[in-house]
Amino acid sequence: GAGVSQSPSNKVTEKGKDVELRCDPISGHTALYWYRQSLGQGLEFLIYFQGNSAPDKSGLPSDRFSAERTGGSVSTLTIQRTQQEDSAVYLCASSFHPGLAVYNEQFFGPGTRLTVL
Amino acid sequence: AQKVTQAQTEISVVEKEDVTLDCVYETRDTTYYLFWYKQPPSGELVFLIRRNSFDEQNEISGRYSWNFQKSTSSFNFTITASQVVDSAVYFCALSGGFFYNQGGKLIFGQGTELSVKP
Repeated sequence: GAGVSQSPSNKVTEKGKDVELRCDPISGHTALYWYRQSLGQGLEFLIYFQGNSAPDKSGLPSDRFSAERTGGSVSTLTIQRTQQEDSAVYLCASSFHPGLAVYNEQFFGPGTRLTVL
Repeated sequence: AQKVTQAQTEISVVEKEDVTLDCVYETRDTTYYLFWYKQPPSGELVFLIRRNSFDEQNEISGRYSWNFQKSTSSFNFTITASQVVDSAVYFCALSGGFFYNQGGKLIFGQGTELSVKP
């Protein structure tokens, strides 16, 4: 079946603009995660969605970052008033069921490379 | 606090050599999972293996093997008879606590870039 897809693959924006990044998880996966990969910080957890539960936002670096997941499927990560330090690759991942060991591996999308000028 | 350390930033080997990638973790949880992911030059993270904290059996999959030792908080990865296609960045990751509480978010090490030369 299809894997995790993300769009756009590349995004160049000017400092101060808002951007939206999209993630389509694997069909049937209940959990969805956003991570950020940058040279200085490595791979960092941002936010996690599981079913209808309140999302775990503990990794969001500032209140300029927000995310939503509609209908338990597609997710959008929004960065407001972008800064140069937001430049990174934003990765989305999904898993079938994080609570069940045999189904808890996360499958990653190809990422969106964000460049803030 | 949870932490994963991959002390080797870069490793370069010649094809057919064996190579071991080190991973040391810290957690106070009694239940946790450890993972290895591969990130080839194309960029997409590929899942390799999962280990839970109650299973210390080593695992072998083809040329890949993993050594999990709770006594030293290590989860090392060995590639036997390396090939050029093994060139990639390899990440060790930890997911702690009870999944229903923490949702399985991954704490990654900094990654080890493996270069296999012909």
